Formats: sequence, C-alpha cells, structure tokens
Amino acid sequence: GENVEQHPSTLSVQEGDSAVIKCTYSDSASNYFPWYKQELGKGPQLIIDIRSNVGEKKDQRIAVTLNKTAKHFSLHITETQPEDSAVYFCAATSGGYQKVTFGIGTKLQVIP
Amino acid sequence: GAGVSQSPSNKVTEKGKDVELRCDPISGHTALYWYRQSLGQGLEFLIYFQGNSAPDKSGLPSDRFSAERTGGSVSTLTIQRTQQEDSAVYLCASSSSGGSVYEQYFGPGTRLTVT
Repeated sequence: GENVEQHPSTLSVQEGDSAVIKCTYSDSASNYFPWYKQELGKGPQLIIDIRSNVGEKKDQRIAVTLNKTAKHFSLHITETQPEDSAVYFCAATSGGYQKVTFGIGTKLQVIP
Repeated sequence: GAGVSQSPSNKVTEKGKDVELRCDPISGHTALYWYRQSLGQGLEFLIYFQGNSAPDKSGLPSDRFSAERTGGSVSTLTIQRTQQEDSAVYLCASSSSGGSVYEQYFGPGTRLTVT
C-alpha cells in the first residue's frame, strides 16, 4: 500500500517568513495529492491540492509543487501570518479509489 | 449549508465498556470515511463506505472495531470492550463521488478517553 512520509514534524517561523513542508510517497500509481490544515479542536480542511499532470499550483500565499519522478511534493506558504499556525497534513491517493493515505502532520507555529 | 457532524464531541468511558460514535455526513455525499487520530499522530484510516458497495474495512485495528452505514447516510463506529489504547480523536469525513477523487469534508471529531 501507499506510504507517505512528511517532514518536518514541527516548524517555527517568524511572521512574514516562508514555510516549506515536504512529503514523499511510495506508490507510483498515486495521482492526487491534497493538503489539509487542522486548527485546534477542529477537523482537517482542504487548503490546496494537485494532480499528477500538474507540476505546480498556486492559490494566493499557498503553493504546492510535485515531482512525480522523485515521488515528492511540497507545500509552500509565503508571507506567513499568525493565523497560519496549525497542523498541516499532506496526503496521497490513486485515481478511481478514494482511500487516502495521510502524512503524520507538521505543526506550524508562526511567531508574531 | 450543514457540514459533517459527529456526536458526541467528547466521550469518557471505562475500560471494557462498549462505545458508539455517530457521524452525519453532508447530504448527498456517497462516500464516508472514519479515521483515528492519536495524540501527536497523523490520520489513521479505519474504514471507507462508498454507496452500496461493500465497505473497505482494511484499516480496522482489531475485531473489536466495527462500523455501519444505514441508508447510505448516517454511520456508527462501534468499539467493543474498549482499551486504553483506543483513546484518540475519531474523525469522520464524507465526499461527493466514488468514481474519482474529490475533497473530503471532515467533521470536528469525537474525543474518546478510556479510563
């Protein structure tokens, strides 16, 4: 089955700096890679996703890159703000079946 | 509109007792998932329902765990003879299609504490 590794497990950045979270996956059949943000006491919420036919996707301050050859993908948050503080999960899944494998999560702290 | 709801939000139970956790998915969503999130851990897949198909139970950690989904809507996760290691947040999610991959909408979770 799919195995997703995520790092770092914790990340502290100064407000305004960039944050990068990296994930690797094992199943070459995986073709959908969502990122979820989980705030304290809440369920995870999708913030951005990328499919294997795309190398990069941006949405305002958030971007995701995908290297299918190397089987890794990354989340980039620019101009971080205190409200970006949360746990971020990467995930991977193959098309036609919705069992999603999640990474262990990264606790991001943005220091004002 | 209404999102995914779960009840109870918190449950404290004694070791050895049975518990039932409920999930109400978003109306019309055909796929429903249960995950377990232990302290400081990621999301552990438990079980997946898609329409009328047989559920994927491959993530259930033992035969003490079971889940049902009645009428293609509400789901109940049952843990029998609870153990302390069952303490975790149990998250439910739903999504709109089984043919290809769509966003999963998560509920707020049920925090289970086994004493």
